[in-house]
Amino acid sequence: GAGVSQSPSNKVTEKGKDVELRCDPISGHTALYWYRQSLGQGLEFLIYFQGNSAPDKSGLPSDRFSAERTGGSVSTLTIQRTQQEDSAVYLCASSSRWTQETQYFGPGTRLLVL
Amino acid sequence: GNSVTQMEGPVTLSEEAFLTINCTYTATGYPSLFWYVQYPGEGLQLLLKATKADDKGSNKGFEATYRKETTSFHLEKGSVQVSDSAVYFCALSDGSNYQLIWGAGTKLIIKP
Repeated sequence: GAGVSQSPSNKVTEKGKDVELRCDPISGHTALYWYRQSLGQGLEFLIYFQGNSAPDKSGLPSDRFSAERTGGSVSTLTIQRTQQEDSAVYLCASSSRWTQETQYFGPGTRLLVL
Repeated sequence: GNSVTQMEGPVTLSEEAFLTINCTYTATGYPSLFWYVQYPGEGLQLLLKATKADDKGSNKGFEATYRKETTSFHLEKGSVQVSDSAVYFCALSDGSNYQLIWGAGTKLIIKP
């Protein structure tokens, strides 16, 4: 596609449920990033993929969070046993191997945990 | 560690006013610097960037100059429009893993 896409755009879930968030990066981009944007705050780095491997998982806030990327393309961020503090906008970005410092963002998934 | 500090908002200006949003950074080595913009209801968009000292990034009438001596990357525009109302984020990449380090964002409100 022309840009980074994310689904769903909005997700409302009950505390304790698991959720999966999907990111489809720009075709050919090798690097993929997940960030979290909480209300009134800046962006928090979660995880970075280069191809299918994740050399940097340092930002994942707890072991309830995990992410995978398959085929060097689509990535899924999974949050298990969601908590109310997980409510935020989850942003995905991708970049090419030639201009890797320039990241292109998707529209985000707005997650609300009740 | 690396960090970015930008002025708190909201910043409220009248149309055609001069804009400055301050951004300073702390980093080892030679980071790349970015301004991203988030218009209401939209995703983050890259506005401009600079990859080495004294470079000037520019786009849509906005400019920012990479000042290593003052570790700053202030965003400026000579004459703002209502359509510039958005949240502006300053960010840096230290090149080690291309993780972006973000400022907290500055909300800009332009009144007609």
